[in-house]
Amino acid sequence: QQQVKQSPQSLIVQKGGIPIINCAYENTAFDYFPWYQQFPGKGPALLIAIRPDVSEKKEGRFTISFNKSAKQFSLHIMDSQPGDSATYFCAAKLGAATGRRALTFGSGTRLQVQP
Amino acid sequence: ETGVTQSPTHLIKTRGQQVTLRCSSQSGHNTVSWYQQALGQGPQFIFQYYREEENGRGNFPPRFSGLQFPNYSSELNVNALELDDSALYLCASSSSGRVNTGELFFGEGSRLTVL
Repeated sequence: QQQVKQSPQSLIVQKGGIPIINCAYENTAFDYFPWYQQFPGKGPALLIAIRPDVSEKKEGRFTISFNKSAKQFSLHIMDSQPGDSATYFCAAKLGAATGRRALTFGSGTRLQVQP
Repeated sequence: ETGVTQSPTHLIKTRGQQVTLRCSSQSGHNTVSWYQQALGQGPQFIFQYYREEENGRGNFPPRFSGLQFPNYSSELNVNALELDDSALYLCASSSSGRVNTGELFFGEGSRLTVL
C-alpha cells in the first residue's frame, strides 16, 4: 500500500516535444507529491511538488497534474530540451500523523530528449 | 551556502565487513535522512534524524544504524555487509518545515560495492 507506481520506464522525445510521466498511488495517508530530477552521478534534485487538494501546478516548463479521485498524478515537460535528459522520479510523502515523514519514490523514468 | 556533502564517494568492501558513511548537512538544516538507491531503482528510505533523535525508519534490518551529531552532520553504519547492500547511499538534509512538503536536498551519494 506504500508503493508509488511510475510509468513509462523510459521515454525518448524530440526537442520541443512534451514528455509525460505518470504515477499512481494507493495510500491515502500521502499528503505531498514531489517530483525529483536526477542526472548521472548526482543526487536527486527537487523539481516541483503538489498537494492533493490542487489539480495543477506549473513552475517554468514543468507542470504537475493531479487527479485525487483516481489517485494519479503526472509530470509534463513543455518545450523539452536536450538538457532535460535525466531520470525523473515521482514521490509521495506520508503525513506527519503517521509518525514518519519519509518519501516513497517511484521506480524512475529515464528521459532522453533528442536534438 | 554549502550543499550536502557525503564521504567517501566510492568504496569497496567484502561480505561481512562493516562500513561507515558520512554526511554534512546543508547549512541551517536540522533534519537528515538516508536513502538506499539500487542500480536502476528509486531511492528507498532507510531512516530519518531530527535534532539527534531517530524519528522514522524504513524496512531495513537493525544492522543499518545511524547517528546525528549536534552540528546536524550524520553517519550511516552498516554491519555484517551482504552482497545486496551494494548500492548508492544518499543523504538528504532539510529543515523541518521543508520536510513537511517533501523538499529534501540530496548529496551526490556514496557508492558502496560489496564483494
